[in-house]
This record gives sequence, C-alpha cells and structure tokens, in this order.
Amino acid sequence: GESVGLHLPTLSVQEGDNSIINCAYSNSASDYFIWYKQESGKGPQFIIDIRSNMDKRQGQRVTVLLNKTVKHLSLQIAATQPGDSAVYFCAENNHGSGNTGKLIFGQGTTLQVKP
Amino acid sequence: EPEVTQTPSHQVTQMGQEVILRCVPISNHLYFYWYRQILGQKVEFLVSFYNNEISEKSEIFDDQFSVERPDGSNFTLKIRSTKLEDSAMYFCASSATGLSGNTIYFGEGSWLTVV
Repeated sequence: GESVGLHLPTLSVQEGDNSIINCAYSNSASDYFIWYKQESGKGPQFIIDIRSNMDKRQGQRVTVLLNKTVKHLSLQIAATQPGDSAVYFCAENNHGSGNTGKLIFGQGTTLQVKP
Repeated sequence: EPEVTQTPSHQVTQMGQEVILRCVPISNHLYFYWYRQILGQKVEFLVSFYNNEISEKSEIFDDQFSVERPDGSNFTLKIRSTKLEDSAMYFCASSATGLSGNTIYFGEGSWLTVV
C-alpha cells in the first residue's frame, strides 16, 4: 500500500544551525508534496509545497528537495530559530484518488531547537 | 489572512452520545475536508466534500459519521454514537479546488474526548 513516512522521529538542533528533515514516500504516482508544521495543540500549518515536475523549491528560510528516483523528500530550514520548534509532517496529495484533495500524511518529525 | 475556524475547541462527551463538530471554511473555497489525529499519531484523512456531496471517504468514516453543509458557511461533522476510540483531534480543512497542487488549509482543531 501507499505510505508516507519520515526517517527520524526527533531532531535536535542548535539555534542558528540549519535543519534537515527527511521523508520517504512509496507511491510513485504522487505528483504533489507538502510540508506542514504543527505546533502543540494547533492545526497543521502550510510551509511549502512542490510538484513532481520540480526537484527543488525555495521559500523564506525553507527549501524543499524532491528526489523522485529514490522517492525522497526533504525540508531544509536555514538558521533555525526557537520558533521553529514543532512537529513537521510531509504529506502527499493522492492523485490516484482523483480530484478530491486527499492528503496522506507521514508520521512526523519533532524538531527541537536548543538555545 | 483568511482562516478555517472550528468550534468547539474541546468537547468531552459520554460514550454513545452524539457529537457535532462545526467548521467555517475559508469563504471562497469549494472543497472541504475532515481529518483526525489521535494523540501522538499522524493526521488521517476522513472525508472530502464538494458540491454538497461526499467526494471520497476513508475506511475510518463509517456509518457513525456524517457530514453536512447546512448553510452557506458552516461545514459539520457528526458522530452519531461516540466510542472511546473516537477520542482525537478533529481538523477541518478547505481548499479552493480539489485539484492536486491546490493548498489545503487546516483549522486549529476540535479536541474530542469520549469518556
């Protein structure tokens, strides 16, 4: 079956360092990927997305990389700040289900930023 | 910035009771969703809704669940006879379209505790 997962449940980094959060997906038909940030007790907050016809996309302090050959997605956060501490989920848009906007989420990586 | 709003933020209910969770999606969005997240686990898709009917539903969304758009602004999730395992955070979400690549925005969630 299809699944989206992350390599590490917890990532601890020093404030100011760069963070890299990884995600592996299994559905090669997926054509859209999203990173969400979830702070404690809140809903998933959109960070950045990428379509399968791209391999890199940059936002403000964040970069998403997509490697379709190995079905791997990563989120890079530059100059990590305490406010970046949260759980990060990758999600896959299930194109196979048609135009329903269904997302399949990975397990999540907890990012801890040490001051 | 437009946002998805949900009420109540937290509800405690007796097992077997009916619960209605309410959502106001972003005003110009046409696709609506419910997801749930059991404590410590990943976010799971429940149902998508468009043009006053269900577009897709997951295995979790059994006969005990129903959704409705009773007026032009609200979108509700009803659980007819709650079970202990229904305890979770329920997220409403919306998107402008259901097409792959269209950003899905989440609300802050309604925390349901079944006792």
